Amino acid sequence: SQQGEEDPQALSIQEGENATMNCSYKTSINNLQWYRQNSGRGLVHLILIRSNEREKHSGRLRVTLDTSKKSSSLLITASRAADTASYFCATDAWETSGSRLTFGEGTQLTVNP
Amino acid sequence: GAGVSQTPSNKVTEKGKYVELRCDPISGHTALYWYRQSLGQGPEFLIYFQGTGAADDSGLPNDRFFAVRPEGSVSTLKIQRTERGDSAVYLCASSPRLAGEQFFGPGTRLTVL
Repeated sequence: SQQGEEDPQALSIQEGENATMNCSYKTSINNLQWYRQNSGRGLVHLILIRSNEREKHSGRLRVTLDTSKKSSSLLITASRAADTASYFCATDAWETSGSRLTFGEGTQLTVNP
Repeated sequence: GAGVSQTPSNKVTEKGKYVELRCDPISGHTALYWYRQSLGQGPEFLIYFQGTGAADDSGLPNDRFFAVRPEGSVSTLKIQRTERGDSAVYLCASSPRLAGEQFFGPGTRLTVL
């Protein structure tokens, strides 16, 4: 079953703009991860944020985590056409820690040149 | 330094047939995961191996699905008496440690006619 819900389902922006995607989840987590997927095939890991962290940066990516609201956001700054892809949040839940990731349904990001 | 590989990349079969999907994880990764992804959805967990044993197979949809990892490296997902609803992209991932990032293969697109 899908634990996470991503918002929006689709996002279309112009190159150079920032893109923000949100994720909500239901259970207590060990960590939350964001992945990117091109063309419906393999996923690429972007960033992992642990339950005791509130914010993390990696290059043009900024992830926040609010465990009280069970939500996370992914911000991509100064977007490029090459950022066009589907973005998924995935949770590693406490009760099944390490044994699986539970993915949301993803946000389809389109960056127009 | 190769990543996770999966073969075949595409498999078309007829309803009722048996199929095997193979995953070669990154060398040294003890954790191996199988996921299934339907069009427009996020990946859904199927089974997790730690070493040779299936530590968590609770995501397998029914007893037509089975997976093995006899030597703790390569894994094979086996589907008996395939049904049209089994059509999806089957993704394999491996990880060097528990509850860390997962490295995904490119997937096998299974089409059951």
